[in-house]
Amino acid sequence: AQKVTQAQTEISVVEKEDVTLDCVYETRDTTYYLFWYKQPPSGELVFLIRRNSFDEQNEISGRYSWNFQKSTSSFNFTITASQVVDSAVYFCALRGDSSYKLIFGSGTRLLVRP
Amino acid sequence: DTEVTQTPKHLVMGMTNKKSLKCEQHMGHRAMYWYKQKAKKPPELMFVYSYEKLSINESVPSRFSPECPNSSLLNLHLHALQPEDSALYLCASSQGATGPAGEQYFGPGTRLTVT
Repeated sequence: AQKVTQAQTEISVVEKEDVTLDCVYETRDTTYYLFWYKQPPSGELVFLIRRNSFDEQNEISGRYSWNFQKSTSSFNFTITASQVVDSAVYFCALRGDSSYKLIFGSGTRLLVRP
Repeated sequence: DTEVTQTPKHLVMGMTNKKSLKCEQHMGHRAMYWYKQKAKKPPELMFVYSYEKLSINESVPSRFSPECPNSSLLNLHLHALQPEDSALYLCASSQGATGPAGEQYFGPGTRLTVT
């Protein structure tokens, strides 16, 4: 069975603080893909990153960074120097290599206050 | 260009109406998806089309009827819906349905209200 857990339901920070969103997954697939999506109040799901199971390199893109650790089945997302525009619901998702289906976590609502 | 468009943005319909949601992508993607998202929940997969053929139907009631007229278009026909079908309906597309090409790009969604 596949499962994605985002234990943080809501996080509230003040602008310029760093914030980490946690994601823990379960899968029996040897090849799989992990994703983060951002959903602002407008509703559109915005693709942020895909990480392949065979590539454990961490990634940085501007203020965003991702820490993939296979040993702990985690794929955490850090926003450095948060901004009000980062306020959104963030979903972590998992898909097996031969599967059509994205398994979403329950989402973490991030509120960045000015 | 990673754009998926959906029309209409908002739709209000009665339980006896027939309406359709439309989705379009011009990225050359061969897989397209319909999701339903209720408030404060993650999206739930409804249908997957791969190379214009229905590959997955996640036990969706027959009052929802998908159609893929060509590789760029995906429709969702709605008939005799219930108030509990009110939700955000999201369309997505990906280069392929499985493997590393299965990275899905989502449209802005149609917010449906059934009265």
